[in-house]
Amino acid sequence: GAGVSQSPSNKVTEKGKDVELRCDPISGHTALYWYRQSLGQGLEFLIYFQGNSAPDKSGLPSDRFSAERTGGSVSTLTIQRTQQEDSAVYLCASSLSGFAYEQYFGPGTRLTVT
Amino acid sequence: RKEVEQDPGPFNVPEGATVAFNCTYSNSASQSFFWYRQDCRKEPKLLMSVYSSGNEDGRFTAQLNRASQYISLLIRDSKLSDSATYLCVVNTPGTSYGKLTFGQGTILTVHP
Repeated sequence: GAGVSQSPSNKVTEKGKDVELRCDPISGHTALYWYRQSLGQGLEFLIYFQGNSAPDKSGLPSDRFSAERTGGSVSTLTIQRTQQEDSAVYLCASSLSGFAYEQYFGPGTRLTVT
Repeated sequence: RKEVEQDPGPFNVPEGATVAFNCTYSNSASQSFFWYRQDCRKEPKLLMSVYSSGNEDGRFTAQLNRASQYISLLIRDSKLSDSATYLCVVNTPGTSYGKLTFGQGTILTVHP
C-alpha cells in the first residue's frame, strides 16, 4: 500500500519568506508526527496530532512554526519568516494510533533557506 | 545530559565483521526501546524492538540493561548493505501517547 508521502521533496527559499510543507499519512493511521533533522543531528520532535484531538505542540521551536491537520488526514507545517537556522530535513511520520510505537516515515522535505 | 546518547562513530568494518553499538538513556521511567535504521538521505525505518530479555532477528541482536539504562545492538557477519545510520529510540515517559526520543545515530560503513 501507499506509504507516507511528503511534498515538496526539496524547497529552496529566501530568508524571510514563508513556506508550507505537506504530509499525507498512511490511510487509516490516526497519529501523525512532524520532526526536524539537521545535518548530523538526531530527529527533533516538533508536533503530534491524534485524530481530531488538540495537538501536542510542545516541540515547536518558535511561534514562526505552526501546523494543522485537516479532516484527521493531511497535515501542513508552515514556517513563517524563514531563517537560515530553519534549514533542515522535515520528516513526517504516521502510526496506527497514538499508542503504537512503530512510526512510518515519509521521505522528508529538504528545506534550504538562503 | 541528552535524553538518548549514542556514540556517533563512524564505525568502519570489513564485510563479515561483528560490530556492536551502545546507547544510554537518561529517564529511568522509559519502558519501550527500539532501533531504527536510516540509510543515507532516506527516512528512518524500524529495525527492531528491544525486549527486556534481549531478542534476536537474524544477524541482529538487541540487549537491554535497565539497571544501567543501557541498550545495545550487535550485528554479526556484516554485509555491505548494513551500511547505514542506526538510531537508538526510547519512549518519552509522562506523555499520553507513544512519543519517541531519538538518539543522534551511529554511522556504520561496511567495506569489502
